[in-house]
Amino acid sequence: EVQLVQSGAEVKKPGESLKISCKGSGYSFTNFWIGWVRQMPGKGLEWMGIIYPGDSDTRYSPSFQGQVTISVDKSISTAYLQWSSLKASDTAMYYCARHLGGSSKLPFDYWGQGTLVTVSS
Amino acid sequence: EIVLTQSPGTLSLSPGERATLSCRASQSFSSSYLAWYQQKPGQAPRLLIYGASSRATGIPDRFSGSGSGSDFSLTISRLEPEDFAVYYCQQYGNSPPTFGPGTKVDIK
Repeated sequence: EVQLVQSGAEVKKPGESLKISCKGSGYSFTNFWIGWVRQMPGKGLEWMGIIYPGDSDTRYSPSFQGQVTISVDKSISTAYLQWSSLKASDTAMYYCARHLGGSSKLPFDYWGQGTLVTVSS
Repeated sequence: EIVLTQSPGTLSLSPGERATLSCRASQSFSSSYLAWYQQKPGQAPRLLIYGASSRATGIPDRFSGSGSGSDFSLTISRLEPEDFAVYYCQQYGNSPPTFGPGTKVDIK
């Protein structure tokens, strides 16, 4: 069974750093792109970026380029999303999700349960 | 960046009725790259349709997708109680992939 299990909720202060994780299991982790999607409170879905665990090829949305870093440790089948300096506007639910296949141009077919990040002074 | 517009914002219907949701794009793209997702409160989105008209694994056949160019639609032939949710379209052929703002289907 394909599963993406995300790390738990975080409460941080503005300016702090954060790295959240997404562990894949039940499939060949290195052969499927994994992406991150933001959902701000009461709002819609925003595509942030994707990474191919096989070679760490990474693509970002211009809206998130430079604001976050997506990385992967294929030895433990885990993808990461990190911030170096959080802002209150980063408060949101963050989902990781797997592409339907090995292409970079596919929808997300399996999703993690989401990680709620709250940034407040 | 392709901007997707979904209409209506909210669709109020009764169980058993037919729902038709629209997704329009700011520019044309291949229908091979259009998906629909369903999201219920407190849950992650679920892939329903990809390639504009192909149902994802395990999706009931009351869900169907159609369209081409810049005009796409999702139809739910007969609404079941579990279908009341928010629906998002997504294009994934042009970079960056983008989602529409969503259509909420609620109980009339």
